[in-house]
Amino acid sequence: VIWMTQSPSLLSASTGDRVTISCRMSQGISSYLAWYQQKPGKAPELLIYAASTLQSGVPSRFSGSGSGTDFTLTISCLQSEDFATYYCQQYYSFPRTFGQGTKVEIK
Amino acid sequence: QVQLVESGGGLVKPGGSLRLSCAASGFTFSDYYMSWIRQAPGKGLEWVSYISSSSSYTNYADSVKGRFTISRDNAKNSLYLQMNSLRAEDTAVYYCARVGQTAAFDIWGQGTMVTVSS
Repeated sequence: VIWMTQSPSLLSASTGDRVTISCRMSQGISSYLAWYQQKPGKAPELLIYAASTLQSGVPSRFSGSGSGTDFTLTISCLQSEDFATYYCQQYYSFPRTFGQGTKVEIK
Repeated sequence: QVQLVESGGGLVKPGGSLRLSCAASGFTFSDYYMSWIRQAPGKGLEWVSYISSSSSYTNYADSVKGRFTISRDNAKNSLYLQMNSLRAEDTAVYYCARVGQTAAFDIWGQGTMVTVSS
């Protein structure tokens, strides 16, 4: 099983801030990593796949980086609609695993 | 448009069974692998099961192995999850998700709630 450590679990920020979320793997996964955004009461939505490729329709203020064991999701200029919970997920091996989630809240 | 709609959730007693369904539309269902993912109340996401496009390959989380069975009917554009021997810890919103060409979960349904309680 590949364990994932996502940090921070809670991030307080203001509109316009640059925020960074980290995801660390217990073993290397090349670039088989996705990021999802989930708003309260809604299903998750895919933001980024292959560690750094933006899903169609996702704003360019979102970006992903990393490979191997360390990955980062960056939101360059936080907008009001970005306040949500973010999850990383590896698809390198089974079982598929998700990070614990990072809630981005209004400061 | 591309859509997944789950149904079949509800309240069931411990030890009971439930069958979830997921109706797909807007894409060629038979071309895609599919998966079930769940989320306990106030908790994170947990992958549950996975099925190949032709049903030849399936995989399960250890927490449900031997109790849950994933299946699909490509003629009906439908995905299923048969859940037996349900436990309180199976209480969650269950999402079906499409496995995209990149292997990430690129389309999700709205979820169906399963509550296991006496």
